[in-house]
Amino acid sequence: KNEVEQSPQNLTAQEGEFITINCSYSVGISALHWLQQHPGGGIVSLFMLSSGKKKHGRLIATINIQEKHSSLHITASHPRDSAVYICAAPPNTGNQFYFGTGTSLTVIP
Amino acid sequence: DGGITQSPKYLFRKEGQNVTLSCEQNLNHDAMYWYRQDPGQGLRLIYYSQIVNDFQKGDIAEGYSVSREKKESFPLTVTSAQKNPTAFYLCASSIRGMNSPLHFGNGTRLTVT
Repeated sequence: KNEVEQSPQNLTAQEGEFITINCSYSVGISALHWLQQHPGGGIVSLFMLSSGKKKHGRLIATINIQEKHSSLHITASHPRDSAVYICAAPPNTGNQFYFGTGTSLTVIP
Repeated sequence: DGGITQSPKYLFRKEGQNVTLSCEQNLNHDAMYWYRQDPGQGLRLIYYSQIVNDFQKGDIAEGYSVSREKKESFPLTVTSAQKNPTAFYLCASSIRGMNSPLHFGNGTRLTVT
């Protein structure tokens, strides 16, 4: 059983579309992380959020701690958004993150 | 610019040889982590260190070893005891553990034949 589940696994969108990636987790956490991994492998931290909503450019992340669910939205998607998006949940007890398996996004021009 | 440097980007070794992957950070972060990434799986923790001269095993530590002699350096040795070493290895750091943002290196792709 995975402590963190992401959906969808793969997503193809036309440029300009609104995109939603979902993350559900089963552990108690105080914050959730969204990461972006580009082809070539490097990973960038996009958001760390513990409640409500955060926005950075065209990216918006929301979280509902009670329902143990988070979403990552991309508005006006662009081919450069093509990447793997990973959510990571650090449990309140223990010393390691639980990672989702990632959502592979391809945005077609 | 501050960041994490992993080297080399690609590494090839013969089976039975030990190999050491480098990870250096100039972010003054206390916590450092090594992860392994395989296709279709989430990142899996190999080892982590929260302070110099101290480190703990993660979920898949067998066949790996680390050291943390300096705050900025956390090298990972893949030993011949690791049964399936071919993978993508990522090093990460954070200021003080799990409730601070993770910073990742660009990874090392190790191929053992």
